[in-house]
Amino acid sequence: IAGITQAPTSQILAAGRRMTLRCTQDMRHNAMYWYRQDLGLGLRLIHYSNTAGTTGKGEVPDGYSVSRANTDDFPLTLASAVPSQTSVYFCASSGGGSYNEQFFGPGTRLTVL
Amino acid sequence: GQNIDQPTEMTATEGAIVQINCTYQTSGFNGLFWYQQHAGEAPTFLSYNVLDGLEEKGRFSSFLSRSKGYSYLLLKELQMKDSASYLCAGLDSNYQLIWGAGTKLIIKP
Repeated sequence: IAGITQAPTSQILAAGRRMTLRCTQDMRHNAMYWYRQDLGLGLRLIHYSNTAGTTGKGEVPDGYSVSRANTDDFPLTLASAVPSQTSVYFCASSGGGSYNEQFFGPGTRLTVL
Repeated sequence: GQNIDQPTEMTATEGAIVQINCTYQTSGFNGLFWYQQHAGEAPTFLSYNVLDGLEEKGRFSSFLSRSKGYSYLLLKELQMKDSASYLCAGLDSNYQLIWGAGTKLIIKP
């Protein structure tokens, strides 16, 4: 692994189903983030974690939950998916760059029908 | 409220110079980031400004005026591979990034 990985790459999901998006980083960064990106809108923060064992709510947390059991992994769970959660989801981490910049995973394209 | 404004789309010619503007309003201010995002890919870091002035990095430069809540990204000697979206983001007092919707830059030969 080099950087941040996300799985799956894409997924089509029936409304009402539960789904977990996976995110793993190997850079030993303390902070991790989940964003959604929709056409015409900026990246919107869903949840974040400043360090293992802690999480916080971002701008659009409703319908999503996260956990941070260790430094490397930061899964995002949709308990009961709805069509408005159709989006591209990016995981990011920070803590090792010169400017504490965020490094992004390749994204998960999720479609909820 | 917090807000980042940047143009939706710009067009420029290969070899030319283009300036992408960004105005910001954030609760507190801890710096301004620019990211590049090619279609279907993840954003990648370009620059960071926290003090007023111009930061130059090869063909790309970024400028900040904190008193005006204004930044711009300057791209010189445009190449076709520079066709992408450019995202402006302000770091607020809680060290959270507030993102603009991005400027799609189209480069024509």
